[in-house]
Amino acid sequence: KQEVTQIPAALSVPEGENLVLNCSFTDSAIYNLQWFRQDPGKGLTSLLLIQSSQREQTSGRLNASLDKSSGRSTLYIAASQPGDSATYLCAVPSNNAGNMLTFGGGTRLMVKP
Amino acid sequence: NAGVMQNPRHLVRRRGQEARLRCSPVKGHSHVYWYRQLPEEGLKFMVYLQKENIIDESGMPKERFSAEFPKEGPSILRIQQVVRGDSAAYFCASSLFSGRLYNEQFFGPGTRLTVL
Repeated sequence: KQEVTQIPAALSVPEGENLVLNCSFTDSAIYNLQWFRQDPGKGLTSLLLIQSSQREQTSGRLNASLDKSSGRSTLYIAASQPGDSATYLCAVPSNNAGNMLTFGGGTRLMVKP
Repeated sequence: NAGVMQNPRHLVRRRGQEARLRCSPVKGHSHVYWYRQLPEEGLKFMVYLQKENIIDESGMPKERFSAEFPKEGPSILRIQQVVRGDSAAYFCASSLFSGRLYNEQFFGPGTRLTVL
């Protein structure tokens, strides 16, 4: 059974810092991994989807890397801003028909002005 | 293009009542997923449906919960005789395909159910 873990659970940084969020998964037979952002009381916004054949995916100040063999992904946020404050979730699809997602517990990020 | 729509956004029910949550997928998407986020817990898969078929309901509680995705209209998650432990945010997601490619899931804003 796939298990997804995110470290740290919470992170507080001053504005402008570069930071790294970590995601690990127990079953490396995945074919993609998604990073989401969730604002308090809101839904999920997809940030990046990285295919298993890719090692990195970039969108603006965000960069996600994937190392299947070690069961890890990282989300790098450059030059953090107060507007980046949110909970960041990683998720991997199952290998069953349907690809339902297994989510990590999330990292709650606070960027202080 | 409208994204995934869910309604109502907030729903309050008393214990023993029924809750009906609706989800309209992205136009053209025929794969719908329901997830539940209990307070202070992560998102957990509940059920996966295609039009008129339940494909995988392994995450659904065995009693009181049911889901459908009719040929016409939105997907419905129904909770009968709600209890306080059903209070949670319920998210719907849709995807174009369910294969290895182009299976990115897009999420709705969620329905927050409060059981008094």
